[in-house]
Amino acid sequence: AQSVAQPEDQVNVAEGNPLTVKCTYSVSGNPYLFWYVQYPNRGLQFLLKYITGDNLVKGSYGFEAEFNKSQTSFHLKKPSALVSDSALYFCAVSPTSYNTDKLIFGTGTRLQVFP
Amino acid sequence: DAMVIQNPRYQVTQFGKPVTLSCSQTLNHNVMYWYQQKSSQAPKLLFHYYDKDFNNEADTPDNFQSRRPNTSFCFLDIRSPGLGDAAMYLCATSRGDSSGGPYNEQFFGPGTRLTVL
Repeated sequence: AQSVAQPEDQVNVAEGNPLTVKCTYSVSGNPYLFWYVQYPNRGLQFLLKYITGDNLVKGSYGFEAEFNKSQTSFHLKKPSALVSDSALYFCAVSPTSYNTDKLIFGTGTRLQVFP
Repeated sequence: DAMVIQNPRYQVTQFGKPVTLSCSQTLNHNVMYWYQQKSSQAPKLLFHYYDKDFNNEADTPDNFQSRRPNTSFCFLDIRSPGLGDAAMYLCATSRGDSSGGPYNEQFFGPGTRLTVL
C-alpha cells in the first residue's frame, strides 16, 4: 500500500537552532515528494518539491529537504528556526506509477519554535 | 495576484439543511480538488476534476456532490449535513499534466470552516 509517515506529532525547537521534520514514504516506483505548511485557519501552502535530479531541494522561507532513496525519506530542514515557522507541516507523495493527480498526505507534524 | 478564493470563509448551517461552498481560481489550472480536513488532521480528498472529468474518491459519502460549471469555478454541495460533516473544507488547484502524476504543486485556498448546529 502507498503511504507516507510523519513519525513525530510535534517537534519543539528553540529559535536559532536547526530544525528537522521527518518524513518517510512507501510507494511503488519513483515518487514525487512535497512539503506543505499550514498556519492556523489557513489553507496549505507549498514549500518545496522533489521530482528528479539533485537530492537536496531548496524551497521557500529558507527550508530545504533531502531526498534519500535508500532510506525512503524526505526530511524537511532549516538551519536556523524562527518563531514564525511555528505551524503544521505536511509531507505528501505522489507515486509516478499512479498516473493521476492525487497526493497522499502524511498525518502532519506540528512545529513549535520557542523564543 | 493569481489565487484560489473560497467563499464563505465561515459557514454555519443546521443539521440536514443543504449548503453550498464555492471556490474560484484565477490560475487557469485545469485540475481542481476538494478536501475535507478535521482538527489538524491530514486533508482528506473528497473528489477532483481533471478538466471536466469528475473523479470521486471511493469513500466519499453520497451526501457530498460537486459541480464545475467552468474552468474557474467549482462548488461543493452537502445535501444533508450531519454533525460529523463539521470540518474545514479546502479547495485546491494544480496544472495537471496528461503524462501522469502531479509533479506540479497544488495551490490551496484559505478554506471554509463549516459548523453544523
